[in-house]
Amino acid sequence: SAVISQKPSRDICQRGTSLTIQCQVDSQVTMMFWYRQQPGQSLTLIATANQGSEATYESGFVIDKFPISRPNLTFSTLTVSNMSPEDSSIYLCSVHDKESREQYFGPGTRLTVT
Amino acid sequence: RKEVEQDPGPFNVPEGATVAFNCTYSNSASQSFFWYRQDCRKEPKLLMSVYSSGNEDGRFTAQLNRASQYISLLIRDSKLSDSATYLCVCHTGRRALTFGSGTRLQVQP
Repeated sequence: SAVISQKPSRDICQRGTSLTIQCQVDSQVTMMFWYRQQPGQSLTLIATANQGSEATYESGFVIDKFPISRPNLTFSTLTVSNMSPEDSSIYLCSVHDKESREQYFGPGTRLTVT
Repeated sequence: RKEVEQDPGPFNVPEGATVAFNCTYSNSASQSFFWYRQDCRKEPKLLMSVYSSGNEDGRFTAQLNRASQYISLLIRDSKLSDSATYLCVCHTGRRALTFGSGTRLQVQP
């Protein structure tokens, strides 16, 4: 199984600032995803992080607000830009393991915007 | 309409009880189905896959009805440690998983 780490684990940020979340996987994976889980809600897919090309965003999410980098097959970053209190959420990195056909999640980054 | 719908609960059951969760999905192109478990303040973890023929893993039984686009999870002999949110998940094969909003289970002593 893939082991995923995320940094930071939590942060409290001021409105208008940006935060970059890092995701590191212990093995090379083709498919990496970023999800958001707002309080009391389920997971919503933000985007698929593609290695060597621009991320693929889901409806309602745009690159200017959530720029994503994927420099190699084990690492990705998600930036939450120009934050507002509505961005307070848990952000989770996830990978799909082709061999086991399972999808694994990082421990999440708990973001609070004041 | 949500792509994957679940009763949010909570389901409060005594230890030893049998409890069943249901889930419906709207995308007929969905190919794979799963139940994930999410503990409070933790990331989701795969509980079990759901196969067309139905499958069992210890106290857990999952069933799929493709005609009705319906998935179920049955937990027998509930334990305190089963308390969690159970997420119904579908996969079309083209993209990432689609999650239901989850059903909360609280097993009481």
